[in-house]
Amino acid sequence: EVQLVESGGGLVKPGGSLRLSCAASGFTFSSYSMNWVRQAPGKGLEWVSSISSSSSYIYYADSVKGRFTISRDNAKNSLYLQMNSLRAEDTAVYYCARDNEQWPVFDYWGQGTLVTVSS
Amino acid sequence: EIVLTQSPGTLSLSPGERATLSCRASQSVSSSYLAWYQQKPGQAPRLLIYGASSRATGIPDRFSGSGSGTDFTLTISRLEPEDFAVYYCQQYGSSSWTFGQGTKVEIK
Repeated sequence: EVQLVESGGGLVKPGGSLRLSCAASGFTFSSYSMNWVRQAPGKGLEWVSSISSSSSYIYYADSVKGRFTISRDNAKNSLYLQMNSLRAEDTAVYYCARDNEQWPVFDYWGQGTLVTVSS
Repeated sequence: EIVLTQSPGTLSLSPGERATLSCRASQSVSSSYLAWYQQKPGQAPRLLIYGASSRATGIPDRFSGSGSGTDFTLTISRLEPEDFAVYYCQQYGSSSWTFGQGTKVEIK
């Protein structure tokens, strides 16, 4: 069974940093591209970042470019999101999501971790 | 960036009725790159439809997708109680993804 479990969320002050993790199991993690998607409270979904299976290709939404860094450790079956210079508008539930092998869609999602940026 | 606009914002229907949800793109989208997701309160989104019209694994056949170019539709033929949720369309292009703002299907 595919499982994605996020952790690392919490309360942080504006300008602060946080590192999210996503532990994957139930599939060959090293074969799949992975993504972070966020959802502000009561709002819709926003794609944040994507990383290819071997970390060769990395993409970011304009809203986080230069502040967030996606990475992965295939030996540990883990995905990460380093978030720096956090702003109030970064407050959201952050989901990790697996990229389907054949189609550019997200076929499995974690349960999410809440990041709150507030003074 | 391609903007996806979903309508209506809220759809109030009764169980057993047919639901028709619209997703309009600001520019033409390849049908291969259009997907639909369902999200229930407190849960992660679930993939329903990919490639505009193909159902994901385990998705009942009352869900169907159609459309091309800039206009796409998700149809739920007969609403079951568990179908009341928020639905998002999504497109892929230029190494990024965008979502529509969502349509809430609520019980009338």
